[in-house]
Parts: sequence; structure tokens; C-alpha cells
Amino acid sequence: DAGITQSPRHKVTETGTPVTLRCHQTENHRYMYWYRQDPGHGLRLIHYSYGVKDTDKGEVSDGYSVSRSKTEDFLLTLESATSSQTSVYFCAISDEGASNQPQHFGDGTRLSIL
Amino acid sequence: QKEVEQDPGPLSVPEGAIVSLNCTYSNSAFQYFMWYRQYSRKGPELLMYTYSSGNKEDGRFTAQVDKSSKYISLFIRDSQPSDSATYLCAMRNSGANSKLTFGKGITLSVRP
Repeated sequence: DAGITQSPRHKVTETGTPVTLRCHQTENHRYMYWYRQDPGHGLRLIHYSYGVKDTDKGEVSDGYSVSRSKTEDFLLTLESATSSQTSVYFCAISDEGASNQPQHFGDGTRLSIL
Repeated sequence: QKEVEQDPGPLSVPEGAIVSLNCTYSNSAFQYFMWYRQYSRKGPELLMYTYSSGNKEDGRFTAQVDKSSKYISLFIRDSQPSDSATYLCAMRNSGANSKLTFGKGITLSVRP
């Protein structure tokens, strides 16, 4: 298994509270991604990072921010959680370059916003 | 039309059956094609990865890509109950920072 750890694995919180999810990798890969997975929508990209302090938006970035201060950690923050952000969140990593390596995923964080 | 369409399922087959899972796509720029397997309450796990038309075989699994028809398939031979999972196709182009586009996934159940 790729060395990816997501924390927490489960979280229940209330609308309006801030939430931070952490993705930690031990592979020293350059690229890191945050996805959400919802029934009927599949996996959708929220944000991604292509290096320390280098991030960009995905297709569903509204309401989310990210930070990457070191290679191994990529944080996803919901500034003011809403019920529509109840989902399963997956982190992925890849070492993309000329060989276009595929992405490998962590086991997800189940987030419920009441 | 969505960029990637995947048969919605679910699909139920008896043990030992040959399973065919399919995706079609509309973006001719896609060059890299993947199949992921996802067990319940786990993350997607890379199963097959290919970047050319034709077939790629790995044990009981064969990935087939037809770029002229914009169609990819995953075949599972001698299916086992342990193959019961959700299967996701994914693809991307070759550009820097290009993103993966996923199908919505199909849930397969292999009955003993």
C-alpha cells in the first residue's frame, strides 16, 4: 500500500464549525490531491498541490481551502462547514513526471455535518 | 454529454463467470487509462494502468483500450467472491498538471 494516512477517519460536527482534514504521505511524492466521493457523483477533485506551497483548484473547490507547508502533509479546511459538505473525502498522491504515474489513494475520511 | 460514462450497474454474477466492465469517453485527448477497485469503506486501489490502445493482461484481469472508438473495458476471468467491489474507470490527458476524470463506478457482486 502507498504510504498515505488520512486523519481523522471519521468526524461528526455541526454546521458552521471549521473542520480540518489531514493527509500525510511517506512516499515523498510531489503531487497531492483532495477528492470527495458522493453517491451519484463519483469522485470529484476539490484541490490539488504540485509542490510545497503550490496549490490549485479542482472542479468543486467552493467552501474549501488547502495548505501544503511541507512535502508530506496536505491539509483540507472547511472554513464554515455546511450540510452539503457531508461526504467521504479521499486524499491521493502521485509522482507525476515524464512517466505520468497514476494516483494512489488513502482510505478516506467520513465527514458528517449535522 | 459527460466526459466519461460508465455502465451504472449494479452487476451480479455467479462465481466463475467472465465479467465485462465498460466505459466510454468523449475527450479524444485522453491518453492514460486506469481501472480502480474500491472495497466498501476503503479507498480506490489501482488495478490496471495503460496508455496505449490494445490489451494489457495481469492475472485474471485484462484491460482493453480502443482509442478509435473511445471505449475501454475491464475483463475479469474466473470471477471470485473477493472480486465483489466497486470498479471505477479513470483517464487523463498527457499535459502537465492534467487531472483524472473518473466514471461514477459500477458495483459488482460475485455470488458463491
